[in-house]
Amino acid sequence: NAGVTQTPKFRVLKTGQSMTLLCAQDMNHEYMYWYRQDPGMGLRLIHYSVGEGTTAKGEVPDGYNVSRLKKQNFLLGLESAAPSQTSVYFCASSMRDYYEQYFGPGTRLTVT
Amino acid sequence: AQTVTQSQPEMSVQEAETVTLSCTYDTSENNYYLFWYKQPPSRQMILVIRQEAYKQQNATENRFSVNFQKAAKSFSLKISDSQLGDTAMYFCAFMKHGPPIIQGAQKLVFGQGTRLTINP
Repeated sequence: NAGVTQTPKFRVLKTGQSMTLLCAQDMNHEYMYWYRQDPGMGLRLIHYSVGEGTTAKGEVPDGYNVSRLKKQNFLLGLESAAPSQTSVYFCASSMRDYYEQYFGPGTRLTVT
Repeated sequence: AQTVTQSQPEMSVQEAETVTLSCTYDTSENNYYLFWYKQPPSRQMILVIRQEAYKQQNATENRFSVNFQKAAKSFSLKISDSQLGDTAMYFCAFMKHGPPIIQGAQKLVFGQGTRLTINP
């Protein structure tokens, strides 16, 4: 039982490049989330999904897109990376919104 | 909008001591959940404890307990007999409880975190 996994663990991008972060969970959870963590600001919700084929905006969605084509996977895309998107990105999943969220190990992204 | 404030950016105590981390929140809701998450140097976010606002009894999990003061909108975490492995960032978080949202969900709102160091 791997829980929540994230790929890759580290990435360096140049401004304007694109990339996709992959989140996978094996707990059959309906809800999945993408957060970013910046120093001194805690975690902020980027996008989330309440089921396969559905996505919704969180607190800081600009510059990101997401897709949930399969229940177990939740992808976060950056179409044109900017230095302001340098952050640590966390994926999480839960059975329902008020149940415990299980987090992945995070992806450290640097945009130069 | 709900806000969560952790007023102690850093704390440091000796091993085996008791330490209390503070958290206050601002909401007009009556039903909600409060959480404490731990983030050790490995970066993994781990749920420490959870409190439902409708419960008057404070939640406890082994050495971890909370002091939930609903009227004061305060939710502090007490760690007893602190251990070196308790060294981590600790985040307080709030979630509103409401009816199911069509194609939506209640969301976790996090505080800024408190960096706790347990010294040998």
